[in-house]
Amino acid sequence: DAKTTQPPSMDCAEGRAANLPCNHSTISGNEYVYWYRQIHSQGPQYIIHGLKNNETNEMASLIITEDRKSSTLILPHATLRDTAVYYCIVRGTASKLTFGTGTRLQVTL
Amino acid sequence: NAGVTQTPKFQVLKTGQSMTLQCAQDMNHEYMSWYRQDPGMGLRLIHYSVGAGITDQGEVPNGYNVSRSTTEDFPLRLLSAAPSQTSVYFCASSTVTLGVTEAFFGQGTRLTVV
Repeated sequence: DAKTTQPPSMDCAEGRAANLPCNHSTISGNEYVYWYRQIHSQGPQYIIHGLKNNETNEMASLIITEDRKSSTLILPHATLRDTAVYYCIVRGTASKLTFGTGTRLQVTL
Repeated sequence: NAGVTQTPKFQVLKTGQSMTLQCAQDMNHEYMSWYRQDPGMGLRLIHYSVGAGITDQGEVPNGYNVSRSTTEDFPLRLLSAAPSQTSVYFCASSTVTLGVTEAFFGQGTRLTVV
């Protein structure tokens, strides 16, 4: 599985966009990028995934660079409930998602 | 719509005791996994299963056993609890559709070994 690198922590004001970066320079051509988040020690929650194209769903947007060596998760209007640890994962097998230490996002008033 | 159910939510064990953490899913997923999470750390894979009757070791398997007799259930057994096994344990079930993996996690079991 490709290794990912994320900043350990970030702050964001409520209502502003939160942009969470992830480097995955060794990603293989058929590997997906997944984002999960973990709110206050609950079980991780799936957010979004992408392969090459930018993706958007009701929770977030995912921007993947053309060379696929990095990506950015965008929460367009962060709220206090978005305070969590965000994990960027390059796909392992279905049963072996490999979690790093993630980025702790703190949303403030 | 239960998803992944873990029991118990909290447990205190004495060193040397054994116990089983239960995990059940109702989504008919073929893949199930157990992770542990220590304070300030990411999740580390203990054991996983790719289907009923098939299990394999993950990153930190020592001191734990698993079995998968049915698609729905994937219990994790601690054979002789040690303080180093104090952690939060998460069970996950997942499926792959057109090459895309989606995993669903339980709410965790908080285990303290004294």
